[in-house]
Amino acid sequence: AQKITQTQPGMFVQEKEAVTLDCTYDTSDPSYGLFWYKQPSSGEMIFLIYQGSYDQQNATEGRYSLNFQKARKSANLVISASQLGDSAMYFCAMGLNTGTASKLTFGTGTRLQVTL
Amino acid sequence: GAGVSQSPSNKVTEKGKDVELRCDPISGHTALYWYRQRLGQGLEFLIYFQGNSAPDKSGLPSDRFSAERTGESVSTLTIQRTQQEDSAVYLCASSTRQGYGSNEQFFGPGTRLTVL
Repeated sequence: AQKITQTQPGMFVQEKEAVTLDCTYDTSDPSYGLFWYKQPSSGEMIFLIYQGSYDQQNATEGRYSLNFQKARKSANLVISASQLGDSAMYFCAMGLNTGTASKLTFGTGTRLQVTL
Repeated sequence: GAGVSQSPSNKVTEKGKDVELRCDPISGHTALYWYRQRLGQGLEFLIYFQGNSAPDKSGLPSDRFSAERTGESVSTLTIQRTQQEDSAVYLCASSTRQGYGSNEQFFGPGTRLTVL
C-alpha cells in the first residue's frame, strides 16, 4: 500500500520569500510518480509539478521545484518568490507507474498563507 | 479546450435518498477517476475506469456506492440510501497517458453533496 505524509498542517511565509512544503512517501513499488497539486479556496485542484521515480534530476516548473530525495523517500515542494496568490492548500500525491492508469494517493495537505 | 465538467455543482438531499453525480471528462482521455474530499481533509480515491478494462473499485466505501462509465465518455457516480457521513465534495478527474511518465490528472470543479 502507498502512503503520503504531510506533517505541516499550516505554514506562513512572507511575500517574496521562499518556502518548503514537506512530503514523505512510502511504497514498495520501484516505479512511481509524485505530484503536487494546489487547491485554492475556490476548490479546484491545480496540477503544479511531477517527479518520476527514475528521473535523475529534480523537477522544476517556473517558481516551483521538487526536492526529490529518493533514499529518504521525500519529495518536498519549494516555492520561490512567494506571491499572495500562492495562499492555498497544497497536496502531495503519489501514483504507481504500472503501465495502466493509476489512482493517486493523497496526503492530508498543507495550508500555506502568504503574508505581506 | 473544455476541461472536466461535473454536475450538479451542489446537491442537498435528505438522508436515505439516492443521488447521481455526473462527470464529463476531457475528450480523448481514456482514464477517469472519482475521489471524495471531506471537509478539511485530503482526497480519498473511490474508483477509476481505464478504457474497456474492468474498473478499479477498491476505494468504494460501501455497496451503497457504484459508478458507471459509457465508453470513454460520461461517468455517473451513484450513492444509494445516502447517510450524513456521505457529505463531501466529490471530485472527478481524467487523464490521457497510461503508466510511465507523467500521468497528470485533470480535475473537475467537484460536486458538493450535503446530506441532511
